[in-house]
Amino acid sequence: EDQVTQSPEALRLQEGESSSLNCSYTVSGLRGLFWYRQDPGKGPEFLFTLYSAGEEKEKERLKATLTKKESFLHITAPKPEDSATYLCAVQPGGYNKLIFGAGTRLAVHP
Amino acid sequence: DVKVTQSSRYLVKRTGEKVFLECVQDMDHENMFWYRQDPGLGLRLIYFSYDVKMKEKGDIPEGYSVSREKKERFSLILESASTNQTSMYLCASSFSAAGIYGYTFGSGTRLTVV
Repeated sequence: EDQVTQSPEALRLQEGESSSLNCSYTVSGLRGLFWYRQDPGKGPEFLFTLYSAGEEKEKERLKATLTKKESFLHITAPKPEDSATYLCAVQPGGYNKLIFGAGTRLAVHP
Repeated sequence: DVKVTQSSRYLVKRTGEKVFLECVQDMDHENMFWYRQDPGLGLRLIYFSYDVKMKEKGDIPEGYSVSREKKERFSLILESASTNQTSMYLCASSFSAAGIYGYTFGSGTRLTVV
């Protein structure tokens, strides 16, 4: 069964304290792995798509990496405005849909 | 700025009512999706549509139906609302069904069934 597991469920950081969020997956024939950011009361906002092991994407303080079993979202020197829920999703081979994890709630305190 | 607009931010309905959730996109996307989001469960796909009048069941279609009469509009219908359908409902659209360029989501409708 295709599955996405994100850890930790919640993460509290001090401003400037770098860390990583994990997304592990089991999927038949990965076509793509996606990261989204969701602010309270809003819909998810697209961040990155990764297609193959070894690929990396960066955007400001965020860097996403992909291996054959998991993806990491690295946050370097986070700021309070990075506080949000980060969602990971995978697209299995042969399917036109995304399977989402439950998300990691990130809180960055000044 | 491209947008997906959901007609209501908050709705309160009674058990047994027929409920319509409306979604409109202005990006000329062919593909539209309805998800529900519940704490600890993530987003789960209810239905999606890849063309006008076309629809496919997602992972949890029971108790729901959809309508897509125009390209820009995708409606979710709760035939007879029940308390276990209390949830956040998110509509999304994409140029590619694979979401390679990312889905664009609406702001969500928080539905409470009492």
